[in-house]
Amino acid sequence: ILNVEQSPQSLHVQEGDSTNFTCSFPSSNFYALHWYRWETAKSPEALFVMTLNGDEKKKGRISATLNTKEGYSYLYIKGSQPEDSATYLCALPPGGNTGKLIFGQGTTLQVKP
Amino acid sequence: NAGVTQTPKFRVLKTGQSMTLLCAQDMNHEYMYWYRQDPGMGLRLIHYSVGEGTTAKGEVPDGYNVSRLKKQNFLLGLESAAPSQTSVYFCASSKPDSPRYFGPGTRLLVL
Repeated sequence: ILNVEQSPQSLHVQEGDSTNFTCSFPSSNFYALHWYRWETAKSPEALFVMTLNGDEKKKGRISATLNTKEGYSYLYIKGSQPEDSATYLCALPPGGNTGKLIFGQGTTLQVKP
Repeated sequence: NAGVTQTPKFRVLKTGQSMTLLCAQDMNHEYMYWYRQDPGMGLRLIHYSVGEGTTAKGEVPDGYNVSRLKKQNFLLGLESAAPSQTSVYFCASSKPDSPRYFGPGTRLLVL
């Protein structure tokens, strides 16, 4: 069973703060890592798919890095805005089975104006 | 382009009743998935399909059946609903090795 851990579980920041959170996974048998953003009452929306050690991806004020050797990925949000409030999920396919995608519990971010 | 659509949006069932949830996608994606979302449990994969006519079990398949008779449709069936199946069900689709596109969700309440 693939264990995908996300920390912290929740985070409260002020508007304008930069923040980051972590997705941890077993470093053996890595294939790919997905990041999703999930706003309340909406559906999850894909942010990034990362496959290579050292990968860095960026979308606006959100960026992510990947370290497959030590088994973690960081998601950064620069200058948080209230509209960034959401749950951020990471997910991995176990053993390269790309049909399956096992999700972490998510980090819920609240940005106060 | 409608993306991924789900029918119905909301349903109330009595224990023991059956129902089918329909998922449709117009992006010509090979892969389709059914997830359920429960408080404190995150998103869990029920069943998935990597092509028309094929299905496979996910993390929590018990109590559900699926069929993929057409590439664009993926049906999730509950033969005899139980209160433990009260949940929000999300369908998703993707190309191989690509991000999932999720539907809007179906809220199911089993009394």
